Amino acid sequence: GENVEQHPSTLSVQEGDSAVIKCTYSDSASNYFPWYKQELGKGPQLIIDIRSNVGEKKDQRIAVTLNKTAKHFSLHITETQPEDSAVYFCAASIGGGGNKLTFGTGTQLKVEL
Amino acid sequence: NAGVMQNPRHLVRRRGQEARLRCSPMKGHSHVYWYRQLPEEGLKFMVYLQKENIIDESGMPKERFSAEFPKEGPSILRIQQVVRGDSAAYFCASSREPDALLGYTFGSGTRLTVV
Repeated sequence: GENVEQHPSTLSVQEGDSAVIKCTYSDSASNYFPWYKQELGKGPQLIIDIRSNVGEKKDQRIAVTLNKTAKHFSLHITETQPEDSAVYFCAASIGGGGNKLTFGTGTQLKVEL
Repeated sequence: NAGVMQNPRHLVRRRGQEARLRCSPMKGHSHVYWYRQLPEEGLKFMVYLQKENIIDESGMPKERFSAEFPKEGPSILRIQQVVRGDSAAYFCASSREPDALLGYTFGSGTRLTVV
């Protein structure tokens, strides 16, 4: 089955700096890659996603890149703010398979003042 | 339009008791997914259901765990004879379409503690 690895497990940045989180996946059939933000005591919230026919997608301060050949994808957060502090999860899925997502193990992002 | 509703938010059970977790999908959504999150780990898929049907239960433990999504009412994840290792956060998600190319919405979860 699919295996998703995520790095780093913790990331501390200064407010205003950029943060990058990287994930790799094993199943070349995966074609949907969402990113979720989870705040303490809450459920994961979808923040951005990318499909395999696209190499990059941007939404304000958040961007995601996908390299299908290398089977890795990354989340980029620019101009970080304290409210960006949370756990971020990447995930991968195969289209048409009933929406089963395989998640990475998460990155605890801390944005320091 | 309310989101995915899960209850209870917190559930404490003694070893050997039964735990019932409920999930009401978003309005108009007929597909429900259950995930389990162990402390400081990612979410693990458990089961995917449509109304009155289990579509994929490949992530469900073979014993003590069951799930249903009846024609009327919420989806139920049932854990019989709970053990300490069942302590985790259980999240439900729902979607309108079964296509994996559409994102889905998670509820706030039920945090199960087995004492």
